[in-house]
Amino acid sequence: GENVEQHPSTLSVQEGDSAVIKCTYSDSASNYFPWYKQELGKGPQLIIDIRSNVGEKKDQRIAVTLNKTAKHFSLHITETQPEDSAVYFCAANFGNEKLTFGTGTRLTIIP
Amino acid sequence: DTAVSQTPKYLVTQMGNDKSIKCEQNLGHDTMYWYKQDSKKFLKIMFSYNNKELIINETVPNRFSPKSPDKAHLNLHINSLELGDSAVYFCASSQDLLFSGNTIYFGEGSWLTVV
Repeated sequence: GENVEQHPSTLSVQEGDSAVIKCTYSDSASNYFPWYKQELGKGPQLIIDIRSNVGEKKDQRIAVTLNKTAKHFSLHITETQPEDSAVYFCAANFGNEKLTFGTGTRLTIIP
Repeated sequence: DTAVSQTPKYLVTQMGNDKSIKCEQNLGHDTMYWYKQDSKKFLKIMFSYNNKELIINETVPNRFSPKSPDKAHLNLHINSLELGDSAVYFCASSQDLLFSGNTIYFGEGSWLTVV
């Protein structure tokens, strides 16, 4: 079946430290893996995505790595800032017309 | 100049009522979606439309009826509202179909509370 597992469900990090969120997916046919950030009272906002032909992608303080063999991908946030506090969702596309989301990680940056 | 906008943002209504949520995107996208986020923050697709045609109906009860009058609009009508319908409903859009390599952009959400 189409399943995405996300860990941890909550994460507290000291400001300036790095945060890592991990997701695993069930189907090797998956080809697209976006990450969304959701702030309180707002909609999910795409922050970075990666496709199956790439192992790593970086955008300033944010990076995503993909291990197709192990069927997992991770979000890395370096030099965390208070405004990084939010709920983060990973997602995967299983070759159909929808995104299947992970269960979310509530990230809190401690000043 | 909001890209994906939905109205109303908040809606409180009684059980048994019928209500609609409207969505409009000004991105020129061909594909639009409705996602539901429950109280545990879990996001799940409900419907997908491409060029006004239904692509996905994710086993949603018949009380939910989407309507796409044109490519820029996808409205959600809900009949006979139940307590379990309380959730946040997100409209979204993408340039074209997902398997073509497109990205989904979400609106700000409509908070529905059924009392």
